[in-house]
Amino acid sequence: EDKVVQSPLSLVVHEGDTVTLNCSYEVTNFRSLLWYKQEKKAPTFLFMLTSSGIEKKSGRLSSILDKKELFSILNITATQTGDSAVYLCAVEAAFHNAGNMLTFGGGTRLMVKP
Amino acid sequence: KAGVTQTPRYLIKTRGQQVTLSCSPISGHRSVSWYQQTPGQGLQFLFEYFSETQRNKGNFPGRFSGRQFSNSRSEMNVSTLELGDSALYLCASSLYRYGGQGNTIYFGEGSWLTVV
Repeated sequence: EDKVVQSPLSLVVHEGDTVTLNCSYEVTNFRSLLWYKQEKKAPTFLFMLTSSGIEKKSGRLSSILDKKELFSILNITATQTGDSAVYLCAVEAAFHNAGNMLTFGGGTRLMVKP
Repeated sequence: KAGVTQTPRYLIKTRGQQVTLSCSPISGHRSVSWYQQTPGQGLQFLFEYFSETQRNKGNFPGRFSGRQFSNSRSEMNVSTLELGDSALYLCASSLYRYGGQGNTIYFGEGSWLTVV
């Protein structure tokens, strides 16, 4: 059975801190790993990673994938209160019938205090 | 460009009733998938449609069903509602690409279903 595990479950930091969120996975027919930010609404897409070792960056956020060790990290530098959210890691699997589905981790709840 | 649109946003139903939720994907996206999100189970895959065909189904009972129309819009239906069906139902769409490339998958705002 496919599995995605995120750590830590929750995290409280102060503005300006740097945080690292972890995601490990065991998925057959891996295609990609995606990171989402979820506040009290729909998950918002952050990154999609398909290749090992290539860092993706967007402003203060960055992410990297290690397909050998089966994990990914999401870094947020100079955190702001607006970064407070649940961060979700999901892995896309490819099925033999060419379909796709996401298996999600349980999420990391980040709270950034002023 | 409009995002993924789901209706209704909020609804309350009684046990035993049925419900139909609607999803309009991003223009040009042909893959539509549905997810259930609950505090206890997190986000779980329900099913995925592409070109009006269900390609994959998650581990949900047969009371959960869906369909996709020729314009890629999708509906999901839950019959004989149970209290445990109370959840946020999320629709996602993507430009599906075959082969090794991953697919960016975008989510709608969701439909909050409460079963009483």
